Amino acid sequence: SQQGEEDPQALSIQEGENATMNCSYKTSINNLQWYRQNSGRGLVHLILIRSNEREKHSGRLRVTLDTSKKSSSLLITASRAADTASYFCATDATGNQFYFGTGTSLTVIP
Amino acid sequence: DAGVIQSPRHEVTEMGQEVTLRCKPISGHDYLFWYRQTMMRGLELLIYFNNNVPIDDSGMPEDRFSAKMPNASFSTLKIQPSEPRDSAVYFCASSPGARGEKLFFGSGTQLSVL
Repeated sequence: SQQGEEDPQALSIQEGENATMNCSYKTSINNLQWYRQNSGRGLVHLILIRSNEREKHSGRLRVTLDTSKKSSSLLITASRAADTASYFCATDATGNQFYFGTGTSLTVIP
Repeated sequence: DAGVIQSPRHEVTEMGQEVTLRCKPISGHDYLFWYRQTMMRGLELLIYFNNNVPIDDSGMPEDRFSAKMPNASFSTLKIQPSEPRDSAVYFCASSPGARGEKLFFGSGTQLSVL
């Protein structure tokens, strides 16, 4: 399976702190994406990083990619209660087949 | 655009019944994906279409599952007969089509098979 795995499975932090989630995958990829899922809702795309990129920023989000280690990290700075959600990484090795990890459940305590 | 629209939002049925889930992708998107989400297995890719043609259905768990896309604006996922282990949230997603483009997800159908 090309499915990735996020680590940790669950994370609880205070509002204002930074949250870091990691994703590991098994095969070579073309790009890696991060998605957020609020409870009872569909997934929402956050950021995409291509295999030839090492770091990308979008607002309070910072994503890194280490293809040699087959891993990625998502950093959310200055977290807010509204960031409470599950976060997934998704990889595509061939074509347009996206495989999702198992997710990290983030709780931001006000 | 209204986004990806799925129906019904919730479905409760009895074992052995036929279940049909529906999806309307975003207009102009060439790719459509069906995913299943459970606590145990996470998000699983079941099947995806390109320009209404099924490209890869290797994720479809059994012959009880079938999916169709008769036109660019409509797709169905059918389970016949349904079983309790099919209980999950089923998501439809669409993509504009360029390689590696992001997915746009619907709100999902929560299926409970009793």
